[in-house]
Amino acid sequence: QSVLTQPPSVSGAPGQRVDISCTGSSSNTGAGYDVHWYQQLPGTAPKLLIYDNKNRPSGVPARFSGSKSGTSATLAITGLQAEDEGDYYCQSYDSSLRGSVFGGGTKLTVL
Amino acid sequence: VQLQESGPGLVKPSETLSLTCTVSGDSMNNYYWNWIRQAPGKGLEWIGNVYDTGSSSRNPALKSRVTISVDTSKGRFSLRLTSITSADTAVYFCARDRGAFAFDVWGHGTLVTVSS
Repeated sequence: QSVLTQPPSVSGAPGQRVDISCTGSSSNTGAGYDVHWYQQLPGTAPKLLIYDNKNRPSGVPARFSGSKSGTSATLAITGLQAEDEGDYYCQSYDSSLRGSVFGGGTKLTVL
Repeated sequence: VQLQESGPGLVKPSETLSLTCTVSGDSMNNYYWNWIRQAPGKGLEWIGNVYDTGSSSRNPALKSRVTISVDTSKGRFSLRLTSITSADTAVYFCARDRGAFAFDVWGHGTLVTVSS
């Protein structure tokens, strides 16, 4: 059971939009700690996709965007492409655990 | 900056796992350096981190078995995990924290299998 809750899977057709949710609690996301998102393509290391809730590192396409409200955060992917297929993880800090926590991951399938 | 994990691919139960992450292309100063693992088919689990001063934090679930150290003069940091069991079989990643636990640079990962 992960501290941050994500849907196990989402899917969408090429060109469509998908949203991936990440829900925490009062000791992490609800306490105001930032949420970060990672993309993990098959057989590779995770890649930072969104940091501090809504910022994109250099080189990440604008199709990827993040938002946060209260205890929940959302990763939105627009204009879905086949190469977006993989696993997506949210992450935050937890003050009770005094460390980083990840969501269980969401598998994105491009139909 | 690039990170590269190194260490044994096979460890026997009850033994101690030692991994090293070599940092190249940038200074280690003023960053937190992290270990994360991923069991086969599972999600990411944060193990702990170390600052350039040597100060470290660990996942409470692993705290009693984990030691993380740093040697900035040699550009590397290390993980030591004691009393290994099959539950520790995983790909182990090292990563740099750009701030607020956002890991912007990752190693490729190294698979550690626990088996007698």
